[in-house]
Amino acid sequence: DAGITQSPRHKVTETGTPVTLRCHQTENHRYMYWYRQDPGHGLRLIHYSYGVKDTDKGEVSDGYSVSRSKTEDFLLTLESATSSQTSVYFCAISEQGRNQPQHFGDGTRLSIL
Amino acid sequence: AQSVSQHNHHVILSEAASLELGCNYSYGGTVNLFWYVQYPGQHLQLLLKYFSGDPLVKGIKGFEAEFIKSKFSFNLRKPSVQWSDTAEYFCAASSGNTPLVFGKGTRLSVIA
Repeated sequence: DAGITQSPRHKVTETGTPVTLRCHQTENHRYMYWYRQDPGHGLRLIHYSYGVKDTDKGEVSDGYSVSRSKTEDFLLTLESATSSQTSVYFCAISEQGRNQPQHFGDGTRLSIL
Repeated sequence: AQSVSQHNHHVILSEAASLELGCNYSYGGTVNLFWYVQYPGQHLQLLLKYFSGDPLVKGIKGFEAEFIKSKFSFNLRKPSVQWSDTAEYFCAASSGNTPLVFGKGTRLSVIA
């Protein structure tokens, strides 16, 4: 399995609080992605990065921001969490391009009460 | 917008039955196609991929998929399923230099 670590694995927080999820990779891959997975919706891309400090929006980016200051780390921030952001969040990486196969982390289960 | 459709939401099969899961995409032109599997409580794993060449693609665990360009389809098949194939299956597609777009998934339940 690809060296991808997501932290935390589980988090419960309250509406209106800021939340940051971390994705750390040891593969030195250029591309990193954040998805959310919800029943009936499959995986939806939130943001992705194609290099240090280079990011772009995905399908469901509203309410989320990202940062990538090092190749190995990609942070997802919910500035003011809402209950609609309760979900399972997956980080993924790919080596050669945004249209290439991705390897996924184990996910973070986030509950916002 | 580009989209990927998986028509079967939940499929229930007996062990040893044959499997075919449908996937259609809306892209024109060159397309990269993927099938992923997610076992209960786990992350997605790549089953197989198609970029070009032979439209019949063989993947891991005995799965295969056929790319039919005229039908914009990339259906997943397995001749004989096992209980351990119980999982959710996701089709994904990408065109040009765009990120993958995933379908909503098909849950497969294999019963003894």
